[in-house]
Amino acid sequence: QVQLVQSGAEVKKPGSSLKVSCQTSGDTFSSYSITWVRQAPGQGLEWMGAIIPALDTPNYAQKFQDRVTITADESTRTAYMEVSSLTSEDTAVYYCARQWMGGSLGFWGQGTRVTVSS
Amino acid sequence: EIVMTQSPGTLSVSPGEGATLSCRASQSVSSNLAWYQQKPGQPPRLLIYGASTRFAGVPARFSGSGSGTDFTLTISSLQSEDFAVYYCQQYDHWPVYTFGQGTKVEIK
Repeated sequence: QVQLVQSGAEVKKPGSSLKVSCQTSGDTFSSYSITWVRQAPGQGLEWMGAIIPALDTPNYAQKFQDRVTITADESTRTAYMEVSSLTSEDTAVYYCARQWMGGSLGFWGQGTRVTVSS
Repeated sequence: EIVMTQSPGTLSVSPGEGATLSCRASQSVSSNLAWYQQKPGQPPRLLIYGASTRFAGVPARFSGSGSGTDFTLTISSLQSEDFAVYYCQQYDHWPVYTFGQGTKVEIK
């Protein structure tokens, strides 16, 4: 059974950086993409970017191209998502999700709540 | 970037009734379309992929249809646990896969 476990909630200052981890278990890690999705309070889902660990080449939505870095460590079966230059607009729940068929997301982490506040 | 537009924004339905949710893509996404259900405080749950294939464990009252630019999620007889927000997502145009803005299904 595929499981994704994310790191805990964070409170950050504006201008700082954030790094969220997503550890997977239960299936092959390297061959399936890991996607990061965020959800601002009361808002919908926003696709941020994804990585296929075996290829180690992330892809990003244009909005996040300059501030987001997605990486994967095959030895620990863990994906990471780092966001720099945080503002209050980055306050959200951040989810990692593993690919099912095509780009559908069949398995989700529990979410990491991030609050950016001075 | 492909824009996914869902309608209506909110759907008020009585338990036991059916519901039809729509999702339209700004350009063709073939059948590379998924539907998710999200309840408050929970991550999304995959319901449908490939526009019409139910994910493991999803009840048969959920069905998906469509291809190209127009898609539909139908819930045949709403149960209490079905009241939630539903999102569509295209995964045809790598490397960026986009979500619709969501349809909230609420109790009438």
